[in-house]
Formats: sequence, C-alpha cells, structure tokens
Amino acid sequence: AQSVTQLGSHVSVSEGALVLLRCNYSSSVPPYLFWYVQYPNQGLQLLLKYTTGATLVKGINGFEAEFKKSETSFHLTKPSAHMSDAAEYFCAVTSSSGGSYIPTFGRGTSLIVHP
Amino acid sequence: GAGVSQSPSNKVTEKGKDVELRCDPISGHTALYWYRQSLGQGLEFLIYFQGNSAPDKSGLPSDRFSAERTGGSVSTLTIQRTQQEDSAVYLCASSFEPPGPKNTEAFFGQGTRLTVV
Repeated sequence: AQSVTQLGSHVSVSEGALVLLRCNYSSSVPPYLFWYVQYPNQGLQLLLKYTTGATLVKGINGFEAEFKKSETSFHLTKPSAHMSDAAEYFCAVTSSSGGSYIPTFGRGTSLIVHP
Repeated sequence: GAGVSQSPSNKVTEKGKDVELRCDPISGHTALYWYRQSLGQGLEFLIYFQGNSAPDKSGLPSDRFSAERTGGSVSTLTIQRTQQEDSAVYLCASSFEPPGPKNTEAFFGQGTRLTVV
C-alpha cells in the first residue's frame, strides 16, 4: 500500500520569500514521486518528478524537490516566490502493485503569495 | 490527441438524472484513471483501467457509479440517479504502462465540473 501526507493545507508566503511545501510518503517498494500544480479551474500539470538516479530534481518555474529515502520525504522548494505561483500543489506517489502503477495523491497544499 | 480531453467541461443536472462524462486519453496510453475532486479536497481515486479492463474499481463510491473503456481508448464514467453529494470535479488521467524511466507520469485532462441541483 502507498500513501502521501502533505503537511499544511495552506501555506502563506511573501513575494520573494522561500517556498517550502512538505510531502511525506509511504511505500513498500521503491516509489516514483511527483509534484503537480493546479491553477483555478484547470487540470493538474506536472511540476517535477523523481524516478531513479539524482535525488535532487529540478522542475518548471524554478521549483525543485529532494528525495530523501531515510526520511521518506519529497519536499518542494523554490528560493523566491512569485505572485504567479499561487495555486494548489499536490504531491503524488506511484509504485508497482500487482503490475499497476496507480498514482496516490496527497490532500493538496494551497500556496498563497502576498505582495 | 495532443493531450487528455474531457467533455463536457461543465454539466448541471437535476437530482435523480443520469449523467455521462467522457474522457479521451493520449494516444498510446494503456492506463486510464478517474479521480474525483470535491471542493477543498484532494483527489479521490475512483477507477483504473488497463486497456479495456478495470482491475481496480475500489474507489467507486456506490453502485450508482460505473465506467467503461472501449477500444483501449475513450472512457465513459456514468453516474445514475445523481445526488447533490455527487457535485464535484471529475478528473481523468492517462499514462504509459508499465512506466519507463522517462514515461512515469500521468497526464490530466481539464476535468468536468458536475453540479447537481
């Protein structure tokens, strides 16, 4: 079984401040990990992913995340927030279970950016 | 197609009516998923298709919900005798399966916003 926990349903930052969105996962087998972003009235768009290899992954819009196996974490960061980063962010995990790879999502974190 | 396409984008229906939601996945994607997103909630898994078969239907909330997929492509989610609690955004996603090193993620459609009045 796999699961995802996102700490904080809302995160509020000032424009230019560091963004940190937390994600912890549970998986009995090596996972693939993802961060998606959802803007209002839109579907989910992939920000970045970890599959194998380098544990620090870079994505679009200046975001990056680090896979830490010992902490079962995959936190999302961005050095400097922009107003346009305001959106809902979802962490997801997928791993092989009986031959299927059904993504499991966290409950999401709403990022609020103040001027 | 270039992306996952869902129709309609919005649907308002009266309580007790049946509705059909359509998903057209990315060509070549064998895996297809339906999720439900209620206001302020995360993504609730509904059903997973591998080709035309549905090995995991564990997320369907009741027997009023059903889904099928034909030709390994288009999928339809049907909700019978709709209730107000069915109001939500229904998202469809597709992916390659099994995933390869460069093809691991699911691609999402824009969703269908269902409102039951």
